[in-house]
Amino acid sequence: QIQLVQSGPELKKPGESVKISCKASGYTFTDYAMHWVKQAPGKGLKWMGWINTYTGKPTYADDFKGRFVFSLEASASTANLQISNLKNEDTATYFCARYYYDGYWDYYVMDAWGQGASVTVSS
Amino acid sequence: DIVMTQSPTSMSISVGDRVTMNCKASQNVGSNVDWYQQKTGQSPKLLIYKASNRYTGVPDRFTGSGSGTDFTFTISNMQAEDLAVYYCMQSNSYPTFGAGTKLELK
Repeated sequence: QIQLVQSGPELKKPGESVKISCKASGYTFTDYAMHWVKQAPGKGLKWMGWINTYTGKPTYADDFKGRFVFSLEASASTANLQISNLKNEDTATYFCARYYYDGYWDYYVMDAWGQGASVTVSS
Repeated sequence: DIVMTQSPTSMSISVGDRVTMNCKASQNVGSNVDWYQQKTGQSPKLLIYKASNRYTGVPDRFTGSGSGTDFTFTISNMQAEDLAVYYCMQSNSYPTFGAGTKLELK
């Protein structure tokens, strides 16, 4: 079955960096893009961007340009999110989500999600 | 960015109730709207895609409808396990989510 397993919780200080991983299994990793979504404590979902798992090309939402980097370890079926120069407002749970293509409806949808990776930034 | 205005923010409901929530897009998004369920401490789970298509394994008490700017999500016979926050999301352009509707027991 399709699974996205994310790395464990992180506690970081402001200014530090963090790298979150999302390991996929149960399907061909390079067939479907991977999206990233942020959820601050007690808040809603915010789309961060996505990475083409075939070409490695990332696309970032405006609010996530600069300190955020999406990358791949395709041989390990893993997508990564790195955040540098951490700020208190980066405290959140970060989700990866597979972007599945439904050929019948000609439609893309985030059909499978990781369990979330918690990042806490505190001095 | 396309803004998705979701209403109501919360609802107090009883088991067996019919529950309806809405999402209004700030511009025409066609049928490119999905609905997700998120239970406390869990990741979002896809229920409805392309406005009205039920995802694999989703019970038929969950339905979605709408097109253009106005979308509706309905639970026809509320169950206790349906207590969660529900989000709409448009994918006509870069994805944006509604703020969520929280279902609580009356």
